[in-house]
Amino acid sequence: NAGVTQTPKFQVLKTGQSMTLQCAQDMNHNSMYWYRQDPGMGLRLIYYSASEGTTDKGEVPNGYNVSRLNKREFSLRLESAAPSQTSVYFCASSESGRVLAQHFGDGTRLSIL
Amino acid sequence: AQSVAQPEDQVNVAEGNPLTVKCTYSVSGNPYLFWYVQYPNRGLQFLLKYITGDNLVKGSYGFEAEFNKSQTSFHLKKPSALVSDSALYFCAAPIRGSGAGSYQLTFGKGTKLSVIP
Repeated sequence: NAGVTQTPKFQVLKTGQSMTLQCAQDMNHNSMYWYRQDPGMGLRLIYYSASEGTTDKGEVPNGYNVSRLNKREFSLRLESAAPSQTSVYFCASSESGRVLAQHFGDGTRLSIL
Repeated sequence: AQSVAQPEDQVNVAEGNPLTVKCTYSVSGNPYLFWYVQYPNRGLQFLLKYITGDNLVKGSYGFEAEFNKSQTSFHLKKPSALVSDSALYFCAAPIRGSGAGSYQLTFGKGTKLSVIP
């Protein structure tokens, strides 16, 4: 039972390079999310997709784009990476509704030099 | 704005002693509240949630949480701490998203729990 799978697990980029982080879930969940985690900041929502075909901005969307490719896959793209985007990125998924728990992947550790 | 807060960045407790990780909330209506745990180099794992009913909620790994409406708190507890409980703990609450019927989670900043042998 894979749950939420993120690739790659680690990546080092140079400033200005582009990159797509991949996320796939096998739980048939409607909703998917991208977060970033920085020391002392907790988790901050970048973008989310409430259902296939929809995406919405979260708390910190600047510098990112997303694509909900199908029900399983939700990718996050950095078009021109900046050092401030050095972080750990987590993808999560859930069924719709506010009482249902989100399931998280193990993260992508991204360093931008 | 709806939010949760974790007033302690770090909690240290001796193995075998009871532990408490604190969370306070500010949400309108009936609060739905969650606790998650994060082990090193892993994603967050769901521990337990409060929806309605009994103020004491039992969850995974022997954890429980007490909902207190008058104090707007939802503290995580365990009667006897294990070294393996050392991790980062997050309190969270759902907030409405912009799409119809969509919800996001807002997280506290996390509390690092260290259980000392």
